[in-house]
Amino acid sequence: AQSVTQLGSHVSVSEGALVLLRCNYSSSVPPYLFWYVQYPNQGLQLLLKYTTGATLVKGINGFEAEFKKSETSFHLTKPSAHMSDAAEYFCAVSPSDSNYQLIWGAGTKLIIKP
Amino acid sequence: DTGVSQDPRHKITKRGQNVTFRCDPISEHNRLYWYRQTLGQGPEFLTYFQNEAQLEKSRLLSDRFSAERPKGSFSTLEIQRTEQGDSAMYLCASSSTGVGGEKLFFGSGTQLSVL
Repeated sequence: AQSVTQLGSHVSVSEGALVLLRCNYSSSVPPYLFWYVQYPNQGLQLLLKYTTGATLVKGINGFEAEFKKSETSFHLTKPSAHMSDAAEYFCAVSPSDSNYQLIWGAGTKLIIKP
Repeated sequence: DTGVSQDPRHKITKRGQNVTFRCDPISEHNRLYWYRQTLGQGPEFLTYFQNEAQLEKSRLLSDRFSAERPKGSFSTLEIQRTEQGDSAMYLCASSSTGVGGEKLFFGSGTQLSVL
């Protein structure tokens, strides 16, 4: 069975500071890993995903994530936070590229302090 | 591309009543998904369609829930004899396939409150 743990339901950073959102997973098969973002009053949208190949994945809006198999982690980072990054971020894992098998984390709300 | 549209945005109903939600996917997307999301949790898969065929349904989904996609375009999700535990955000997504694999596009959801 697969599961996803996102550490911290809320993360607060200052504008311009590093953003680090943590995601750990468990999977009995090589995982497909995803990060989605949900801005206020909008639908979820895909930030980035890892399937195979290069373990550092670049996404939209300057975000990137690194798949670390030894640590079973897929943390999301951005070097410099903007006010517009305030949103809820969800990590998800799947045993394949099929979306119906996605297992989602509980989400982390990112708060940006001026 | 007008995005995935869900109607209504909010629904308040009394316990025991039936409710129906509609989802209009992005045109030409052949896959359509329904998820449920409660406060403080990630989305939970309910069911999905490829064209008009319902291919997967969550084993956790009660028989009170039914979904249709009769012409392979819009979809409806009906909940019969609603219970307070059905209160949640119901999300619809459609997907395209192409370079980089399948990509989900979500609607803004229908918030259901069962009193």
